[in-house]
Amino acid sequence: QQPVQSPQAVILREGEDAVINCSSSKALYSVHWYRQKHGEAPVFLMILLKGGEQKGHEKISASFNEKKQQSSLYLTASQLSYSGTYFCGPGGGGADGLTFGKGTHLIIQP
Amino acid sequence: EPEVTQTPSHQVTQMGQEVILRCVPISNHLYFYWYRQILGQKVEFLVSFYNNEISEKSEIFDDQFSVERPDGSNFTLKIRSTKLEDSAMYFCASSDWGGTEAFFGQGTRLTVV
Repeated sequence: QQPVQSPQAVILREGEDAVINCSSSKALYSVHWYRQKHGEAPVFLMILLKGGEQKGHEKISASFNEKKQQSSLYLTASQLSYSGTYFCGPGGGGADGLTFGKGTHLIIQP
Repeated sequence: EPEVTQTPSHQVTQMGQEVILRCVPISNHLYFYWYRQILGQKVEFLVSFYNNEISEKSEIFDDQFSVERPDGSNFTLKIRSTKLEDSAMYFCASSDWGGTEAFFGQGTRLTVV
């Protein structure tokens, strides 16, 4: 069962902040975030393993609330290079695979 | 830097033909995945493979699809009788174990005519 992401699309000006949310009806033990630029393969951003954990990557950080089965991705002072589609997934091999949400399209304008 | 490689980058096939998409995962990885992405749509999980067997598959992965690891390095996706709706970008990915980062190949664009 795929995670649900919101919003579906965001248009920002360079330097603005954005939050992308991911929620699951299924228990989440970890959350993966990926970014896919147009015409390219998805690229791993980060994995969050524990409830309430926060991680950072450049000016992109994320939180994971295991009890609420939610994760949020925070992009601060967005740069043009942040444009792309962001996917969250529950992670795992074994019985879960990597089932992505529908993605959030992020467009950064100069 | 190690990477997942996929061949061919683009394949055109006639409806009803069999196709085999090839992937070479990162050498010490244990989990392998196939995904597809229809143009303009999300990345859809097809199948995961571990310890020489399928560990999970989606509804998309029906009897027309099969995966194989014929030797120690290749991981293949076979579509037995292609349909027009199989046209998509197919991504292979691998991870060292199930819970960590998955590395994606650059994809094979399959066009069924």
